[in-house]
Formats: sequence, C-alpha cells, structure tokens
Amino acid sequence: AQKITQTQPGMFVQEKEAVTLDCTYDTSDPSYGLFWYKQPSSGEMIFLIYQGSYDQQNATEGRYSLNFQKARKSANLVISASQLGDSAMYFCAMRGVSSNTGKLIFGQGTTLQVKP
Amino acid sequence: DTAVSQTPKYLVTQMGNDKSIKCEQNLGHDTMYWYKQDSKKFLKIMFSYNNKELIINETVPNRFSPKSPDKAHLNLHINSLELGDSAVYFCASSPYRTGSTDTQYFGPGTRLTVL
Repeated sequence: AQKITQTQPGMFVQEKEAVTLDCTYDTSDPSYGLFWYKQPSSGEMIFLIYQGSYDQQNATEGRYSLNFQKARKSANLVISASQLGDSAMYFCAMRGVSSNTGKLIFGQGTTLQVKP
Repeated sequence: DTAVSQTPKYLVTQMGNDKSIKCEQNLGHDTMYWYKQDSKKFLKIMFSYNNKELIINETVPNRFSPKSPDKAHLNLHINSLELGDSAVYFCASSPYRTGSTDTQYFGPGTRLTVL
C-alpha cells in the first residue's frame, strides 16, 4: 500500500528565511510521482512542484525546490526567502503508475505560518 | 480563463436532501477526479473518470453517484444527505490516462454543509 507521512502539523518561519517541510513516502511501485500542493486559507489547492521517481535532478520552481532522497524515501519541500503569502497548509502527495488508477495519495498536511 | 471550475462554491442543505455539484475543465484533459477533504483537512480520492469511463470507485456510499456527460464535465450527485457528508469536495483533472504521473489540477472546491 502507498502511504505519505508529513510529521510536522505546524511550522513557523520568519519572513525572508528558508523553511523545509518534511515528507516521507512508502510505495512498492517502481515508478511514481511526488507532488506538493499549497492550500491557502481561501481553500483552493494550488499545484507547486513535481518530482518523478526517475528524475536525476531535484525539481525546482522559482522559490520552491524539492529535496528528493530516493533511498530515504523522502521528498521535502524547501521554500526559500519566505513571504507572508506563503502562510498556508502544504500537502505532499504521491501517484504511482503500476496501479493504473492515477489517484493521488495525500499526507496529513503541514500548516506553515510566516512571521513578519 | 478558469481551468477547473466547480459550482456551487458553497452548499448548505438539510439532512435527507439530494444535491449535485458540477465540475467543468477547459484544459482538454482526459481524466477527472472527485476528492473529499474532511474536517481534519485530510484529502481522499472518491472517483475518477477517464474519457467518460469510471476508473476509480473508492469505498464510497452508493448515495454518491458521479456522472460524466463528456470528458470536460464530471458531476457528483449525492442522495439522502447525512451530517457526515459535510466536507469540502474538490474536482481535479489531469492530461492523460491514469497510468502516468502527470499533474492533477484542482478546482476551487465546494464546501458542503449538511444541517
């Protein structure tokens, strides 16, 4: 069975500093994708970044980067130069290929608060 | 410009009623999904359709029935609403068949409150 674990229910970071949100996963699927989504207080789910299990390099998207350590089964999100608008809930998710269902398995989420 | 849209955004109703939530995507995607986010913010897949064909049907009460008239639309009909159905329901879509790891894009969500 596939599983995503986010062990930090809540995090604080000072504005302009970097923060790492942890995500570990468990799967027997040889090929999978890892995703991070942001959910601000307004409620929508915003796609941030994607990492494929066979990608050689860590994914980056602007201030977001994914620290992918395949052997450790971790896919931590790093947000550099935090902004007040980064305050939100962040979800790590995984999608395997072999099950052919395409469903995303989500972690419990981490609430990030950016302090001015 | 809206990629994945849902209506209504808020839905307040009495127990026992029947209600529908509509979803439309203009991204040309082949696959659409319904997810439920409970009061603890946990997100779980409910259904998935690929080109109007039901692919995923998780352990969901059969009071919930998805319908896909075409690949751009996926509606969710709920019969005999119960208090426990109160949640945020998200529609999502992705480009290709379910066997890939392509990104899913979410609609704004529908907050359902059952009184």
